[in-house]
Amino acid sequence: EVQLVESGGGLVQPGGSLRLSCAASGFTFSDHYMDWVRQAPGKGLEWVGRTRNKANSYTTEYAASVKGRFTISRDDSKNSLYLQMNSLKTEDTAVYYCAREVGNGRPRLDYWGQGTLVTVSS
Amino acid sequence: DIQMTQSPSSLSASVGDRVTITCRASQGISNYLAWYQQKPGKVPKLLIYAASTLQSGVPSRFSGSGSGTDFTLTISSLQPEDVATYYCQKYNSALVFTFGPGTKVDIK
Repeated sequence: EVQLVESGGGLVQPGGSLRLSCAASGFTFSDHYMDWVRQAPGKGLEWVGRTRNKANSYTTEYAASVKGRFTISRDDSKNSLYLQMNSLKTEDTAVYYCAREVGNGRPRLDYWGQGTLVTVSS
Repeated sequence: DIQMTQSPSSLSASVGDRVTITCRASQGISNYLAWYQQKPGKVPKLLIYAASTLQSGVPSRFSGSGSGTDFTLTISSLQPEDVATYYCQKYNSALVFTFGPGTKVDIK
């Protein structure tokens, strides 16, 4: 059974940093691209970014709203995905989901974690 | 950047009704479109990808169609468990995902 479990959320002041983790199990983590998606309270879904697999040099893409502030990384030996968030703003307050990406031809997110809440407030 | 719109933003229908949600892209995206369902307080779930391919395990009352700029998600016979917000999501040559704003579906 595919499982994705996020951790590391919490309360942080504006301008601060936070690192989220996502522990994966039930599939060959190293084969897959992995993504982060967020959802502000009462709002819609916003894609944050992705990391590709080793075969694709672990390259990353980011949404314009987080580019230069957030960094996605992974440790295939630990089946783990990470999101390093710096220079946090109040508008970064959201539930952050990790998700597995599949389908090179028609990419989509087929499994999602339960999410971890990040609150940016003074 | 390619923008996604959805209509309506919300709808209320009776059990058994046929429900159609529309997603429109500001530029053609071929069939690089997926649909997700998010029930209240729950995690998003993939329903359809490549515009019309049903994800494994999804009930057959859900279907998708379209290509280019205009796409639809249809629920052929609305059930109480279908109360949710539905999001379209596109993928384009810029290698980014973009979600539509969502359509909230309730039971009348």
